[in-house]
Amino acid sequence: QKEVEQNSGPLSVPEGAIASLNCTYSDRGSQSFFWYRQYSGKSPELIMFIYSNGDKEDGRFTAQLNKASQYVSLLIRDSQPSDSATYLCAVKGSNYKLTFGKGTLLTVNP
Amino acid sequence: DARVTQTPRHKVTEMGQEVTMRCQPILGHNTVFWYRQTMMQGLELLAYFRNRAPLDDSGMPKDRFSAEMPDATLATLKIQPSEPRDSAVYFCASGSLGTGHNEQFFGPGTRLTVL
Repeated sequence: QKEVEQNSGPLSVPEGAIASLNCTYSDRGSQSFFWYRQYSGKSPELIMFIYSNGDKEDGRFTAQLNKASQYVSLLIRDSQPSDSATYLCAVKGSNYKLTFGKGTLLTVNP
Repeated sequence: DARVTQTPRHKVTEMGQEVTMRCQPILGHNTVFWYRQTMMQGLELLAYFRNRAPLDDSGMPKDRFSAEMPDATLATLKIQPSEPRDSAVYFCASGSLGTGHNEQFFGPGTRLTVL
């Protein structure tokens, strides 16, 4: 059973702080890693993907991947109340299927 | 502005009734995925199609669920007969397998309530 684990939260940070979201996965053959944001009552929205070890930055978001540790994270700098949402980690294996974690609820307090 | 569309957005039905959900993928995408999301289980893959051919439906209860793609612009997910445990949000997503890193883009979902 291929698994993707996330801390369900809620993770609460003050506005302007760095939010750190973590994800571990069990399948060493996983190839690509995705972070989706899901607002309450809405559909998941892709915000970043990463496939190589190291960091990938896009605006206030940084994805970090460590394949040896089977660990992927998402950092959100200068957190805003509009970042409050559930963040889903998804992992793609060799068969194109995405396996999703159950998500971490992030709350950014003004 | 290209996006995945789904109908209906909400459906309330009684146990035993047939439910059909429809999805129009983004034009040019060759892969369609059906997911179910519940609080307990999270987001689960039910089935997916590539170039209209079913590739994997192992996540789908075969006795009551069926998924088809009659043409490149329409995917359907049918439940017959429906049961209260089928109550969930059903998402369709599309993507282009074989290019890039296979990002998937989600539709707005169908919120199904089976009484």
